[in-house]
Amino acid sequence: EILMTQSPATLSVSPGERATLSCRASQIISTDLAWYQQKPGQAPRLLIYGASTRATGIPARFSGSGSGTEFILTISSLQSEDFAVYYCLQYDNEPWTFGQGTKVEIK
Amino acid sequence: QVQLVQSGAELRKPGASVKVSCKASGYSFIGYYMHWVRQVPGQGLEWMGWMNPDSGGTNYAQKFQGRVTMTRDTSIRTAYMELSRLRYDDTAVYYCAKDLPWGHWGQGTLVTVSS
Repeated sequence: EILMTQSPATLSVSPGERATLSCRASQIISTDLAWYQQKPGQAPRLLIYGASTRATGIPARFSGSGSGTEFILTISSLQSEDFAVYYCLQYDNEPWTFGQGTKVEIK
Repeated sequence: QVQLVQSGAELRKPGASVKVSCKASGYSFIGYYMHWVRQVPGQGLEWMGWMNPDSGGTNYAQKFQGRVTMTRDTSIRTAYMELSRLRYDDTAVYYCAKDLPWGHWGQGTLVTVSS
């Protein structure tokens, strides 16, 4: 099973600032990585797939990069609606596995 | 538009079974795998398995093998996930999600296991 490790666990950011979230895979997963945003009481929302492709309707301030084992989600200028928990998912090898999440909170 | 609508919250005793439904609309139901993911309250996300609605074929995460069964009724475009021999730590929100990379999710079904 591939272990996905996200850092940091919590990120405190002021509105308008840049946020950088990391996700590391325990083995090479090519670009078979997705990022999700989850708010309390809601289902996860797909942001990025294929490591860098924005899903339909996702604002351009969200971008993804990386390949192999190291991946980054960048939110260029945080808006109030972006404060949430973010998860990465690898879908290169079953069982598909998630990171433990990064909570982005208001500084 | 694509919609996945799940059944309502359930309360079960330890050792019992629960069956959650996921009704699909807005796309070809048999054309896309259906996955199930769960989330223990306050914790992360866990993939449980997938079902091919066309063939009925399934693949379950090893952790759930022997306890989970994923089925479908194509006539009503509905997928099902049944979990048996429930334990207290099966208390979670269960989601269905349409095919990788899971751009569409159901609203979630809270299953509470309590005596």
